[in-house]
Amino acid sequence: QKEVEQNSGPLSVPEGAIASLNCTYSDRGSQSFFWYRQYSGKSPELIMFIYSNGDKEDGRFTAQLNKASQYVSLLIRDSQPSDSATYLCAVNRFSGGYNKLIFGAGTRLAVHP
Amino acid sequence: NAGVTQTPKFQVLKTGQSMTLQCAQDMNHNSMYWYRQDPGMGLRLIYYSASEGTTDKGEVPNGYNVSRLNKREFSLRLESAAPSQTSVYFCASRTGTGSYEQYFGPGTRLTVT
Repeated sequence: QKEVEQNSGPLSVPEGAIASLNCTYSDRGSQSFFWYRQYSGKSPELIMFIYSNGDKEDGRFTAQLNKASQYVSLLIRDSQPSDSATYLCAVNRFSGGYNKLIFGAGTRLAVHP
Repeated sequence: NAGVTQTPKFQVLKTGQSMTLQCAQDMNHNSMYWYRQDPGMGLRLIYYSASEGTTDKGEVPNGYNVSRLNKREFSLRLESAAPSQTSVYFCASRTGTGSYEQYFGPGTRLTVT
């Protein structure tokens, strides 16, 4: 079992719809969770982070965390074609005295007009 | 404020050649990281440096060496390149004190023939 799992997609949604991206993780001790957006040929860009159970909203983005079920999700409201990208989920792990991010393989989102 | 910069952007090597990938950050971050990204594999940690003067192995360190030259710069060296090292390499940095968000450079696309 991978430490951070995501459905590779593609997830196809029409413009204006809500896109829902999901991620599960195996380390029950994880405390910090991140969503990165990566356009094709570009570097990952941090869009959201969440540390506490519940929802965190930032503009059209909402991150949801459920530590009991070990999943974190990202909702994108009013999806736009410019949201088409790969979304990477990352989980902070403290190991060997240092903090490291463990990344999922990413979910490709395609928003069609 | 350029953030995280990497050089070169593209490189083609022959098997057995050596090269150094350069990374620098101007955000006064303590921690720096080198990742490789391969299709379907997500981001995998090669080496990291929690602070100036320290380096440690990540998930896939074989065939690589690193140097944390000072607080700003963290280089990755391939001593004898192999086709399996064809990948996109990203450098990232993090403040290292109380927050876990990492910020990425633009990447180096390396092809080994």
